[in-house]
Amino acid sequence: EAGVVQSPRYKIIEKKQPVAFWCNPISGHNTLYWYRQNLGQGPELLIRYENEEAVDDSQLPKDRFSAERLKGVDSTLKIQPAELGDSAVYLCASSLGRDRIEQYFGPGTRLTVT
Amino acid sequence: RKEVEQDPGPFNVPEGATVAFNCTYSNSASQSFFWYRQDCRKEPKLLMSVYSSGNEDGRFTAQLNRASQYISLLIRDSKLSDSATYLCVVTRASKIIFGSGTRLSIRP
Repeated sequence: EAGVVQSPRYKIIEKKQPVAFWCNPISGHNTLYWYRQNLGQGPELLIRYENEEAVDDSQLPKDRFSAERLKGVDSTLKIQPAELGDSAVYLCASSLGRDRIEQYFGPGTRLTVT
Repeated sequence: RKEVEQDPGPFNVPEGATVAFNCTYSNSASQSFFWYRQDCRKEPKLLMSVYSSGNEDGRFTAQLNRASQYISLLIRDSKLSDSATYLCVVTRASKIIFGSGTRLSIRP
């Protein structure tokens, strides 16, 4: 069974540029999560989707970050414009949903903003 | 104070040793608990869920102490391949909170 797929794996951009990350969850997983992880820290939840609905985006910096999950499958996370402090690993995870919240993570996108 | 706290380590132990570490949580309404392991520059991977009665998976034992608000992970007969960062995860309502992780290094 294929795992969570993310692309790109690495991205280097200059500050003020836009960037987008893509995630394809495990087939049949209704819940999708985007996390940001800084060095030496645990992942920090940015947004959680149940199917197409964003049910928790309280930690998403909405002035520059946006996300969408069209048709309840793939998801895209965008930053515009990027700032130096956005350099981090962006992880996508999925879970079956409802009471099954065991999460499976993709390999992440390592973003460097210069 | 963080809602979920872990000793960052590193714990440096010889191969074959038993090692244990805890994760404390501050909100008594916390509902579900998990341990993940994360290898260097890799994604977190689910190690085990933590059940109220405690649970064991091979060399790994997880326990929950609701009264003192912590979960623990015990690794017996540690292997070199156990070297990683161990993240605890606590859920509360719709919130999912990761600890910062405990780094474990097993030496030959």
